[in-house]
Amino acid sequence: DTEVTQTPKHLVMGMTNKKSLKCEQHMGHRAMYWYKQKAKKPPELMFVYSYEKLSINESVPSRFSPECPNSSLLNLHLHALQPEDSALYLCASSQMGSPYNEQFFGPGTRLTVL
Amino acid sequence: AQTVTQSQPEMSVQEAETVTLSCTYDTSESDYYLFWYKQPPSRQMILVIRQEAYKQQNATENRFSVNFQKAAKSFSLKISDSQLGDAAMYFCAYRSENGGFKTIFGAGTRLFVKA
Repeated sequence: DTEVTQTPKHLVMGMTNKKSLKCEQHMGHRAMYWYKQKAKKPPELMFVYSYEKLSINESVPSRFSPECPNSSLLNLHLHALQPEDSALYLCASSQMGSPYNEQFFGPGTRLTVL
Repeated sequence: AQTVTQSQPEMSVQEAETVTLSCTYDTSESDYYLFWYKQPPSRQMILVIRQEAYKQQNATENRFSVNFQKAAKSFSLKISDSQLGDAAMYFCAYRSENGGFKTIFGAGTRLFVKA
């Protein structure tokens, strides 16, 4: 199983809503990532978890709150988002050990903030 | 800080022909890793090919090969016998040996394949 799954596929939310994005992998990867991707742009790294601990936070606003409850799951909690946060949110995972290891990406959640 | 530059926003190739996508990068490090990722429209991003900077031999994966010029800081992707399924956005990416799994992506090149 070399798949990273993400739910939901699409999400529309208002600026006062609270929602969560979910990512799951069963490849035994202990590095998991959240990226934000605007249209026709490259992915921008938001967070990296290593062994379920947050190891990189790219100065992301606190309205985005990541969580890694176990080695297979990664969540991104959203609260009080702004319209400019509308984007494709990608989850990825990789083995630990070397930066050469392949990242496996999920299909993404397309988020629209009204 | 490291940067990755893809100077071709769009490229077009005829089916069965060969196309080369350009990528240059800037770094002061000696140990690093380079990648090409493919993102088809509305589909998942996948790894196409990767190269370890300490290896002089260019990586090859079936129809995909790279021309890695370390001194010139260049890492181009050659796609041979182009197929309709190769149409996608291609991102060149850099990872440092000591970067804590941070990936730096180029702006991307949109490849169109004509039948």
